[in-house]
Amino acid sequence: KAGVTQTPRYLIKTRGQQVTLSCSPISGHRSVSWYQQTPGQGLQFLFEYFSETQRNKGNFPGRFSGRQFSNSRSEMNVSTLELGDSALYLCASSLFQGLAGGRNEQYFGPGTRLTVT
Amino acid sequence: KQEVTQIPAALSVPEGENLVLNCSFTDSAIYNLQWFRQDPGKGLTSLLLIQSSQREQTSGRLNASLDKSSGRSTLYIAASQPGDSATYLCAVWRNAGGTSYGKLTFGQGTILTVHP
Repeated sequence: KAGVTQTPRYLIKTRGQQVTLSCSPISGHRSVSWYQQTPGQGLQFLFEYFSETQRNKGNFPGRFSGRQFSNSRSEMNVSTLELGDSALYLCASSLFQGLAGGRNEQYFGPGTRLTVT
Repeated sequence: KQEVTQIPAALSVPEGENLVLNCSFTDSAIYNLQWFRQDPGKGLTSLLLIQSSQREQTSGRLNASLDKSSGRSTLYIAASQPGDSATYLCAVWRNAGGTSYGKLTFGQGTILTVHP
């Protein structure tokens, strides 16, 4: 079974531009979460989607948005890029089994390295 | 608010040594705890997941334990090898209903170096 894939793997953008990152989850997984990883802040949760609906959102400004398609693939968009948005963006998928004791193990993709200059 | 702390921040050991990585969390109301490995510049590889009702999980040379009441987990690596060198991350999924969907809270990680 193929793992979580993310495209592109590397991106260089200029301040003020916008960027779209893509994530394809493991086949059959309907929950997709996004995380930002930086040396200073570590791994921080951005948002989670399930069946095309955003169910949860972290503490990030509105410039960060996402969506999920009917095939569970997800995209995240960052508008008006700032230097501080430079980070490794990780996507994770899960076979969500409910909150009552399912394993709900998360599997991560290789990430997209975004550099803002 | 859930906070996760990992000790030590870095560890350097000779090959063959058994070692323990520690993780503590402030809110014991969790669904599960996962241990991950991250190689430089790469994504996260899931090593072990312990559900809240479990005490430990084992996979090969790895053993992870969970003590929810004290808010602690340990990852035990037996007979360490140079290939084990990586950053090890602990993450908890808090039991908070809809506000916890998909949200893992991570520690800062332990950087492990195993030298030949």
